[in-house]
Amino acid sequence: DQQVKQNSPSLSVQEGRISILNCDYTNSMFDYFLWYKKYPAEGPTFLISISSIKDKNEDGRFTVFLNKSAKHLSLHIVPSQPGDSAVYFCAASPEHGSGNTGKLIFGQGTTLQVKP
Amino acid sequence: DTAVSQTPKYLVTQMGNDKSIKCEQNLGHDTMYWYKQDSKKFLKIMFSYNNKELIINETVPNRFSPKSPDKAHLNLHINSLELGDSAVYFCASSQRTSGSSTDTQYFGPGTRLTVL
Repeated sequence: DQQVKQNSPSLSVQEGRISILNCDYTNSMFDYFLWYKKYPAEGPTFLISISSIKDKNEDGRFTVFLNKSAKHLSLHIVPSQPGDSAVYFCAASPEHGSGNTGKLIFGQGTTLQVKP
Repeated sequence: DTAVSQTPKYLVTQMGNDKSIKCEQNLGHDTMYWYKQDSKKFLKIMFSYNNKELIINETVPNRFSPKSPDKAHLNLHINSLELGDSAVYFCASSQRTSGSSTDTQYFGPGTRLTVL
């Protein structure tokens, strides 16, 4: 049972436009969410995160939105650049206070292609 | 000055063999993890060690045995390799602080294991 789902395996956008990557989760105990970016033959690298007490977190061109009632989060990249082409993983974790061990549950990834 | 390193990067071996993958982090983190990325690209946690103590042990066959000689190293030993063990294995580390939100996990470049 996949608790974190990224239903779009791939996305293609034009350079300069907005990229929107989506992620849905089923476990209401999740309250910390992260996005990782992965290039071929490399490990995932942290991009941005959001706690459930917020509905938006912004870092430069990257913004993550969280809709807790819908159990949905999205990553917006604007403007998109060719160097953003990679696989993007959404991940979720329960908070430390509930005995969390640092375990992350990952989605299956979305491959973003930004065309020049 | 690689933060999380894994060796080897590629490992091709016959069914039934025993092999080890090594992981080292120079970030001073106290928690290390092993993840498996299967053919469907899902990243799933296998083990986690905090200060050399096992804190996460997912439903992984006991042919897989992690070993942490010190908090900077977490090695993965696999006995009696099977075809289904073929995957990319990622090591990660984080600095977890009690009472805070989940800390960012930093990943190694991965080890692609192919069992023939």
